[in-house]
Amino acid sequence: QVQLVESGGGVVQPGRSLRLSCAASGFTFSSYAMHWVRQAPGKGLEWVAVISYDGSNKYYADSVKGRFTISRDNSKNTLYLQMNSLRAEDTAVYYCASQEGYRSRPGLSHLDYWGQGTLVTVSS
Amino acid sequence: QSALTQPPSASGSPGQSVTISCTGTSSDVGGYNYVSWYQQHPGKAPQLIIYEVSKRPSGVPDRFSGSKSGNTASLTVSGLHTEDEADYYCSSYAGSNNRVFGTGTKVTVL
Repeated sequence: QVQLVESGGGVVQPGRSLRLSCAASGFTFSSYAMHWVRQAPGKGLEWVAVISYDGSNKYYADSVKGRFTISRDNSKNTLYLQMNSLRAEDTAVYYCASQEGYRSRPGLSHLDYWGQGTLVTVSS
Repeated sequence: QSALTQPPSASGSPGQSVTISCTGTSSDVGGYNYVSWYQQHPGKAPQLIIYEVSKRPSGVPDRFSGSKSGNTASLTVSGLHTEDEADYYCSSYAGSNNRVFGTGTKVTVL
């Protein structure tokens, strides 16, 4: 069965960096676009970024553009989110999610599988 | 990239129906048939319940249904069960390879 397992969360000071990972199994990872979605404590879901199946195209929410970088290693079935210049408002649970559709256009279709999330807390 | 607008809360008794709206613009909900809905129980990851406006993934009960009219999508839960008490989020393709989520609706089963 499909499994997405995030890791790398923790407490970090404002202005510092953190890298999240998402290990995928149970499907052909290299054929599907992947997303990061976050949820601040007690708040709603916020789309963060998407990467195409082959890593050649990446798109970001305005709130993280220029600070976050999404990437993937298809040989390791792993998705990443490099987060730089972190701010208090980046505090959230970060979920990775797969996008339905073989080699589909990034962002177009729905997110069919989600990980359990990893908590990032930005605080001094 | 403004969030889609949902009512903060909705409620109903077991067996009743509840409908949640999701209002966007012609650049997202109104422009594409790529609206999806997610159910989230406390402390859990979101789970897909409706995709492409009105389609249900296998395993999702048929008491969940979706529709769209203009810039507003809707999710209806018919015959409420106690386990339907959760937060519900809509999401839409917003053009330029972006996605947007709704503000979320907490459904309470009275």
